[in-house]
Amino acid sequence: KQEVTQIPAALSVPEGENLVLNCSFTDSAIYNLQWFRQDPGKGLTSLLLIQSSQREQTSGRLNASLDKSSGRSTLYIAASQPGDSATYLCATNFGNEKLTFGTGTRLTIIP
Amino acid sequence: DTEVTQTPKHLVMGMTNKKSLKCEQHMGHRAMYWYKQKAKKPPELMFVYSYEKLSINESVPSRFSPECPNSSLLNLHLHALQPEDSALYLCASSQRQGGGQPQHFGDGTRLSIL
Repeated sequence: KQEVTQIPAALSVPEGENLVLNCSFTDSAIYNLQWFRQDPGKGLTSLLLIQSSQREQTSGRLNASLDKSSGRSTLYIAASQPGDSATYLCATNFGNEKLTFGTGTRLTIIP
Repeated sequence: DTEVTQTPKHLVMGMTNKKSLKCEQHMGHRAMYWYKQKAKKPPELMFVYSYEKLSINESVPSRFSPECPNSSLLNLHLHALQPEDSALYLCASSQRQGGGQPQHFGDGTRLSIL
């Protein structure tokens, strides 16, 4: 079964720390991997998309990496801020039309 | 500001009501999607439209009826819903279906069934 897993389900870190969120997937035949942010009661905001041929993408304080062979992606957030508090979802399509989401990591940055 | 606009933001309806959710995008995207998201769960795909034609129906009950009147608009018609249908309904679009195209999401409609 093609699955996407995110561990831990929740993470709290003090403001200013660097942190890493993890995403693992069961099948390496993916087109790309997308990281989203979701604030409570809101829709999804796309943060970064890594194509299957790429190893990483960067946007500001965010860096996402992709290792297809090991079925893993990480989202690195530098110098965390309280405004980074949200649920972070990774999602991929296993070579088909559907986007499969991970269960998310709820991130809390403590001021 | 999102480039995918959903209305209304909130909707409360009884089980016998008929209502519609609307989604609009002006990015020239030719694939549009409906997702359902329950609390603390990831979004679940319901329908996919490609070039205004229904491409994927994920075995969704017939009380949900999608419609794509043109390339910019996507509707979800609701009738005789059940309390368990209460959820956040998200619309998304992409340049085309498949091929790993990134999806852009709206802010959703929070639906409550009384």
